[in-house]
Amino acid sequence: EADIYQTPRYLVIGTGKKITLECSQTMGHDKMYWYQQDPGMELHLIHYSYGVNSTEKGDLSSESTVSRIRTEHFPLTLESARPSHTSQYLCASSDPGKGGTEAFFGQGTRLTVV
Amino acid sequence: GENVEQHPSTLSVQEGDSAVIKCTYSDSASNYFPWYKQELGKRPQLIIDIRSNVGEKKDQRIAVTLNKTAKHFSLHITETQPEDSAVYFCAASSYNQGGKLIFGQGTELSVKP
Repeated sequence: EADIYQTPRYLVIGTGKKITLECSQTMGHDKMYWYQQDPGMELHLIHYSYGVNSTEKGDLSSESTVSRIRTEHFPLTLESARPSHTSQYLCASSDPGKGGTEAFFGQGTRLTVV
Repeated sequence: GENVEQHPSTLSVQEGDSAVIKCTYSDSASNYFPWYKQELGKRPQLIIDIRSNVGEKKDQRIAVTLNKTAKHFSLHITETQPEDSAVYFCAASSYNQGGKLIFGQGTELSVKP
């Protein structure tokens, strides 16, 4: 079934560790996004990709980095995790379509940095 | 870049009443306006969307209206039910900005039986 998958769902990690949050979609979408969301609160765009080898930062400044080497894969990396990075990270994808189309979200990764 | 403001942040209604959530956007080039529902512990899911060439769209108990001149759009839920309780997000997207989806702050809707 076509969907968008995130792993891990939950992650507790110590300060200073390097982490990679995985996101894969089987819908053939060109556009992919990473949003940061604190519980019940606003979805902040932190990274955006138009397609392979195309990434840009979103409106919310983030110390994370992303890569887009394959269409279906859009991992997010934190080189040195800090408690301020504790949050939920949601990955999404959408068709290219002119002017915007429905974005499909993954289940999210809830990150806790201790 | 685009900025989306959403009000109210919380809304409590009695079952059967109507609920209205309002959003304003800043980029006059925005042309796609979706609404997402996020239940507790779940991922956001699209419930309705509207494009800038349309003023109103309905889907059963849900409707969205768009006023391009004033740059605002609204979600209307009629005959609310307890299962409508969730956080609702509006968003705006502009082709000029590559179709990035920028979300409002969210509205927590509580429908009391």
